[in-house]
Amino acid sequence: KAGVTQTPRYLIKTRGQQVTLSCSPISGHRSVSWYQQTPGQGLQFLFEYFSETQRNKGNFPGRFSGRQFSNSRSEMNVSTLELGDSALYLCASSLASSGGSYNEQFFGPGTRLTVL
Amino acid sequence: AQSVAQPEDQVNVAEGNPLTVKCTYSVSGNPYLFWYVQYPNRGLQFLLKYITGDNLVKGSYGFEAEFNKSQTSFHLKKPSALVSDSALYFCAVRAGGYQKVTFGIGTKLQVIP
Repeated sequence: KAGVTQTPRYLIKTRGQQVTLSCSPISGHRSVSWYQQTPGQGLQFLFEYFSETQRNKGNFPGRFSGRQFSNSRSEMNVSTLELGDSALYLCASSLASSGGSYNEQFFGPGTRLTVL
Repeated sequence: AQSVAQPEDQVNVAEGNPLTVKCTYSVSGNPYLFWYVQYPNRGLQFLLKYITGDNLVKGSYGFEAEFNKSQTSFHLKKPSALVSDSALYFCAVRAGGYQKVTFGIGTKLQVIP
């Protein structure tokens, strides 16, 4: 079974630009979560989607947005990039149901975003 | 609000010795607890989880963790450390099936040959 894939793997942008990151979950996984990983901050939760609906949202500004498609693939968008947005963005998928999710997450390799 | 604390930024242990990576949590209600490992330049991998039942949970690569409700802890342990265990370890908690997963800041484990 193929793992979680993320594209692109690396991105270099300048301040003020916007960026879209893509995530394809493991086949059959309907829950997709996004995290921002930076040294010293660990993993910060961005949002979680289940069946095209945002189930949870972290404490990030509105410049960070996401969506999920009917095939469970997900995208996240960051507008008006700031230097502090430089980070590794991780996508994770898990088995879930409408009754909630108690299962472990499977992580993709991440997208390394550098904002200059 | 739920939270996870990993009080040690780094743990050093000699190869062959037992290792412990500490984790404490705070949630309302019953916690669902997880450990993940991140090897250099690789994604996070699931190690083990506690949902309910036995307090001692066994996972991948010989790791285990003990859920202690009274101390709100979920420490990761291994009887004999390997150099290849050197990595970044994350503890995570979920307060319920609809709640977000909160990760700790991570603990770097260094196993010294």
